[in-house]
Formats: sequence, C-alpha cells, structure tokens
Amino acid sequence: QVQLVESGGGVVQPGRSLSLSCAASGFTFSRQGMHWVRQAPGKGLEWVAVIWYDGSKKYYVDSVKGRFTISRDNSKNTLSLQMNGLTAEDTAVYYCARDSSYGAARIDHWGQGTLVTVSS
Amino acid sequence: QSALTQPASASGSPGQSITISCTGTSSDVGSYNYVSWYQQHPGEAPKLMIYDVSKRPSGVSNRFSGSKSGNTASLTISGLQAEDEADYYCSSYTSSSTLVFGGGTKLTVL
Repeated sequence: QVQLVESGGGVVQPGRSLSLSCAASGFTFSRQGMHWVRQAPGKGLEWVAVIWYDGSKKYYVDSVKGRFTISRDNSKNTLSLQMNGLTAEDTAVYYCARDSSYGAARIDHWGQGTLVTVSS
Repeated sequence: QSALTQPASASGSPGQSITISCTGTSSDVGSYNYVSWYQQHPGEAPKLMIYDVSKRPSGVSNRFSGSKSGNTASLTISGLQAEDEADYYCSSYTSSSTLVFGGGTKLTVL
C-alpha cells in the first residue's frame, strides 16, 4: 500500500531555514507527480508546491516563490522541501502528497504530516 | 491563485442529504474536470472522496457523489451518518499547472 512518511519538522526561528523530507513506498515513485500541502493551525489546506514525475517541472504558490524549493530523488524514493527565510506565516503542518498523474491533476494519497513552527 | 469558495459550514440530520458547493473561475473549475473532494477528520490527514468531478475511489461509500456546472462544483452526501461529520475541501487543477484548494466546509451532523 502507498506510504508517505514526512520528517524534518520542528521549531525554527524566523529567517532561518528548514528542510523537510518524505519517504515514499508502495508504488513506483518515479512515475508520479508529488506535492507539498500545508495547513496552518485551525486553518484550511493550502497547496504549496508540485514537482513532475521526472523533476522536469516545478510550480509553487506565490507566497513561497523564491524561498522554498521542491526536489526529488527517484533513486531513493524521496521528496524534499527546502524552506528558507521562514516567517511566522509558514507555521503549519506540512503534508507530502502523491498525485495520481505524472504531474499535477489530483492528490490521491497523503502522508500524516510534519509540524513546522516558526517562532523566536 | 485565489482559493476556491466554499461555505464555511453546513449541517444536516442523520439520513438527510446535503450538498456543499465549490466555486472557482474559468481558470480552474470551469475549464478542467480535475476537481477533487477531500474529507478530513480532526487530527487526521485528508482522504480523497471524489476525483475528476464525479469519480469515487475504491472503498468510498456511494453515498458520496460529485458534479459540476460551469465554474461551480458540488459534493453531495446522501443518507447522512454521524461519521460523515468532518471538514470537506475541494481542489482543482488550474491553468498555471498548479492546484488550488477551497477554504473548507465544516459539516455538522445534528
């Protein structure tokens, strides 16, 4: 069965960096687009970024452009999110999610999420 | 990249039917049949309930159905049950090759 396990969350000071990882298993990772979606405490879901199955295309929500970088290692079945210049508005649970297509069409599986708290 | 518009809350009694709307624009919902609906219980990850406007993943009850007209998609839950009480989110593919979510609807089963 599809498993997505995020790691790397924690407490970080404003302006600092943090890197999230997602270990994927139970499917052919190199054939699927992958997303990061976040949810601030008590708020709704916000799509953050997507990377195509082969890493050839990457798209971001405007609020993280230039600060966040999504990447993948198909040899290790791993998805990553490098987050720089963090602010309090980035505090959220970050979900790794699989797209059922090679790019971005629909998320069909989600990880359990990892909490990122930006605070001094 | 504006969020899709959903009602903040909805409610119904057990056994009733309820419909949740999701309004977008001609750059997302209106142009693509890549509308999905997710159910999220407190403290849990979202779960896919409907994809491609009206398709149900294996294992999802047929009490859940989806439709679309113009820029508005809808999720209908028939025969409401206590376990259906949750937050529901719609999402759509967009012309920018991204996804966008709705603000979420809190469903209360009275």
